[in-house]
Amino acid sequence: EVQLLESGGGLVQPGGSLRLSCTVSGFTFTNFAMSWVRQAPGKGLEWVSAVAKSGTTTYYADSVKGRFTISRDNSKNTVYLQMNSLRAEDTAIYYCAKEGLFGGKSHFDYWGQGTLATVSS
Amino acid sequence: DIQLTQSPSSLSASVGDRVTITCRASQSMSRFLNWYQHKSGEAPKLLIYAASNLQSGVPSRFSGSGSGTDFTLTISSLQPEDFATYYCQQSYSTPLTFGGGTRVEIK
Repeated sequence: EVQLLESGGGLVQPGGSLRLSCTVSGFTFTNFAMSWVRQAPGKGLEWVSAVAKSGTTTYYADSVKGRFTISRDNSKNTVYLQMNSLRAEDTAIYYCAKEGLFGGKSHFDYWGQGTLATVSS
Repeated sequence: DIQLTQSPSSLSASVGDRVTITCRASQSMSRFLNWYQHKSGEAPKLLIYAASNLQSGVPSRFSGSGSGTDFTLTISSLQPEDFATYYCQQSYSTPLTFGGGTRVEIK
């Protein structure tokens, strides 16, 4: 059974940092890219960042570029999101999502339950 | 960046109704379009990938169609468990983007 378990959310002041983790099981982690997707209160889904299966290639939404860093430890089946210089607008539930592939096209076939990050003074 | 516009943003329907949600892209993207269902407090769930492929375990009342810039998600006979918010998402280019969502409510 595929499982993704996020952790690391919490309350942080503006300008502060949080490190989110997502530990997975039930599939060969090294074969798939991983992403973080967030949902701010009352808003829709927003893709945040992705990391290729090797960990050497990363992608970011403009809204977090230069402040967030995605990484993965393939020996621990874990993907991370280091969030620095946090702003109130970063308050959201952060979901970890596994990439699926079909005919060269990707999608998110498994998701975690999410972890809440709240940025407030 | 590719913008995805969903319509309607919300709808009210009854059990048994046929429901259609559309997603229009700001540029052509072949069939790089996926659909998700999201219920409050739960993880989003993949319904349709690559425009028209039903994800394993998803009921056959869900179907997807389209290519280029215009896509459709159809629920052939709405069931009580289908009341949720639905999102389209493109994987044609980064940044990956989602539509604004369509909330399906009980009439």
